Amino acid sequence: GAGVSQSPSNKVTEKGKDVELRCDPISGHTALYWYRQSLGQGLEFLIYFQGNSAPDKSGLPSDRFSAERTGGSVSTLTIQRTQQEDSAVYLCASSLVQSGYEQYFGPGTRLTVT
Amino acid sequence: QQQVKQSPQSLIVQKGGIPIINCAYENTAFDYFPWYQQFPGKGPALLIAIRPDVSEKKEGRFTISFNKSAKQFSLHIMDSQPGDSATYFCAASRVNRDDKIIFGKGTRLHILP
Repeated sequence: GAGVSQSPSNKVTEKGKDVELRCDPISGHTALYWYRQSLGQGLEFLIYFQGNSAPDKSGLPSDRFSAERTGGSVSTLTIQRTQQEDSAVYLCASSLVQSGYEQYFGPGTRLTVT
Repeated sequence: QQQVKQSPQSLIVQKGGIPIINCAYENTAFDYFPWYQQFPGKGPALLIAIRPDVSEKKEGRFTISFNKSAKQFSLHIMDSQPGDSATYFCAASRVNRDDKIIFGKGTRLHILP
């Protein structure tokens, strides 16, 4: 069956531009997570959705970052006025219900801010 | 109290050796402890997971040892192979809660041929 998909796979943008990253979770998965992974580093939690609501936004680094989820399915992570330190791989994961169950990760979007 | 501390940061082992990666947690409410494996250019994937009602779980060459009283758990890879070279993340969470899973910082494992 289809896994978690993310688009684009690679994004190069100029400093100061806005970017949108998309995540399509596995059908039926109610929980959706966004993480950021800098080169060779660990997984930095950004935000968690349960359905369309976000019980935990504590990881968003600044007010330039926002995310939404519609229809309990697709999610979009938006970064406004991108900075060079935003360069990283952005990973999306989904799981069947809440915490305590396997998270299925997408392949990630590699964002490069020049 | 929400941290999961993982060590070592990197590990090099000869083929056939038994790499061991350790994790420690503080929140006694955690009741789900998975390990994820990540190959370069890929997203992490669940490798094996344990609940605190057992002290050990084996799946193929991978074993989790769990010490509830010490609040520690570890991953052992038996008869390690070069194909096991990857980054391994331990994690902890509470089942059926609106909580995020807490990941360790990862261990980069390299198995020498």
